[in-house]
Amino acid sequence: NAGVTQTPKFRILKIGQSMTLQCTQDMNHNYMYWYRQDPGMGLKLIYYSVGAGITDKGEVPNGYNVSRSTTEDFPLRLELAAPSQTSVYFCASSYSGVTEAFFGQGTRLTVV
Amino acid sequence: SQKIEQNSEALNIQEGKTATLTCNYTNYSPAYLQWYRQDPGRGPVFLLLIRENEKEKRKERLKVTFDTTLKQSLFHITASQPADSATYLCALGDNNDMRFGAGTRLTVKP
Repeated sequence: NAGVTQTPKFRILKIGQSMTLQCTQDMNHNYMYWYRQDPGMGLKLIYYSVGAGITDKGEVPNGYNVSRSTTEDFPLRLELAAPSQTSVYFCASSYSGVTEAFFGQGTRLTVV
Repeated sequence: SQKIEQNSEALNIQEGKTATLTCNYTNYSPAYLQWYRQDPGRGPVFLLLIRENEKEKRKERLKVTFDTTLKQSLFHITASQPADSATYLCALGDNNDMRFGAGTRLTVKP
């Protein structure tokens, strides 16, 4: 049972490039979340989804896009990378809105 | 705007003592509150969940209280051990999204 899997683990992007952070879960969870964590800070919610085909903005959605075409996958897209998007990105999933969340290992992204 | 505050960035205690961490919130009516542990370079790991209609929850050496009038949760680790050293995050949810505080870094000294 893999849980929540994020790829890649590390990535360096140049300003203006785009990329997709992948997240997949094998627990048949309805809810999925994307967070970013800057050094020494807590997690900020970027986007979340309560089921396939449904996504909604969190606290810091600007510069990001998401899609949820299947229950398992919740990719996060950065269209025009900026240095302010340098961060560690965590994907998480939960069965419902009031149950524990399981986190992936994170993607460390540097934009130069 | 919604705000979730954890009382201090860092807390140092002696082994065997009880660690008490605080989570306060404003402009929020959460359906539940959760506590997570995060070790360096790792994703958060779930510890405890308490719902809005519950006052207290326990799990082994962990205890969490939830006071919706004070808009505060207290997280206690009794008989603390050096292995308890980590960052502890509180998270609030309302059946849709889930938002986190900045965390408190706990160091338990032998």
